[in-house]
Formats: sequence, C-alpha cells, structure tokens
Amino acid sequence: AQSVTQLGSHVSVSEGALVLLRCNYSSSVPPYLFWYVQYPNQGLQLLLKYTTGATLVKGINGFEAEFKKSETSFHLTKPSAHMSDAAEYFCAVSKAGGSYIPTFGRGTSLIVHP
Amino acid sequence: NAGVTQTPKFRVLKTGQSMTLLCAQDMNHEYMYWYRQDPGMGLRLIHYSVGEGTTAKGEVPDGYNVSRLKKQNFLLGLESAAPSQTSVYFCASSKTGSGNTIYFGEGSWLTVV
Repeated sequence: AQSVTQLGSHVSVSEGALVLLRCNYSSSVPPYLFWYVQYPNQGLQLLLKYTTGATLVKGINGFEAEFKKSETSFHLTKPSAHMSDAAEYFCAVSKAGGSYIPTFGRGTSLIVHP
Repeated sequence: NAGVTQTPKFRVLKTGQSMTLLCAQDMNHEYMYWYRQDPGMGLRLIHYSVGEGTTAKGEVPDGYNVSRLKKQNFLLGLESAAPSQTSVYFCASSKTGSGNTIYFGEGSWLTVV
C-alpha cells in the first residue's frame, strides 16, 4: 500500500521568505510523486511531478521539489514567497509502472503575510 | 479547451432527495475520478473508472453510485442524500494512472439540509 504524509496542515511565511512544504511517502515499489496546488474556489492543478530521471524537479511559478529516496521525502520549496502563492498544496504518490491510482495527502495551507 | 466540466456548480438538497452530478472531459482520457473535499480531510476518492463501462470503489464509496456509459462522461449519483454528504465534489480525469497528470474540474458545492 502507498501513503502520503504532509507535515503541518498550515504553514505561514512572510512575503519574500523561503517556502518549505514537507511531504513523506511510503511505497513498496519505486514511486511517482506529485505536487498539486489549489487556489481558492478552484480545482487542483499540477505544480510538478517526479517520474524518472533527475531527482530535482522544477515546476511552475518558481517551485521545485527533490526526491530523496533515502528519506522517502519529496519536499516542495520556493526561495521567495509571493502573496499569490497563498493556496492549498497537495502531495500525491503513485506506484511506478502499471496504471495505479495516486494517493493524495491531506493538504497544507500556505499563508503568506505581507 | 474545456478540460473537465462539472455540473451543477452549486446545489442545495433536502435530506432524502436524490441527485446526479455530471462530469464531462474532452481530452479522450481513459481514467476518471470522483473525489470529495472536506476541511481537514483533504481529498478522498469516492469512485473511479479506468475505462468506458467500468467503475470501481474508492476510499469512501458508501451512499454514492456512479456510471460511465460513455468514455467522456462520468456520473455521480446520490440516491438518498444525507447531511454527511455536504461537501465539495471534484471530478477529474487522466490518460491512465501512475505517472500521468490528473486534471480536475472546478468543483461542485453540495449542501444537504
């Protein structure tokens, strides 16, 4: 079975500060990993994903995440937060190979203060 | 491009009433999903379909039924609505599973009184 844990249901940062959203996963086989973002009153949209190749993945809006197999982590970072980054962020995991249904974490709400 | 379209966007039901949420995708995706989103619970998978004519239960299927008679449509039914089904419902689709991106609709807000 696969599962995802997002540490912290809410993360608060000041505008211009580093954003770090934590995601740890468990999977019995090599994983595919995703971050999705949900802006208020909208559906989710893909921010970035790791399937194979380079473990540092760059996404939209300056976000990036690094797959660390030894730590079973896929933390999301952005060097400098912007007010427009305020949203709900979801980490998801799926199994590599085959056609598996991804499992989503419970989400982390990012709050950006001026 | 329309992507994933859900109707209705808002609905208020009385306990015991029935309704159907409609989902359509124009990306020729094989997989379709229905999720519900509740505060503090994240996204929970209700039912999904891996192709036309097939459906499967997700994490929280009780009280819901689904049908996928056409590849582009995925219907979610509530036979006898309960207040516990007050939620935001999201339809989504993907090419297949695993590493493929899931595309979400904009959500349907359902209140059961």
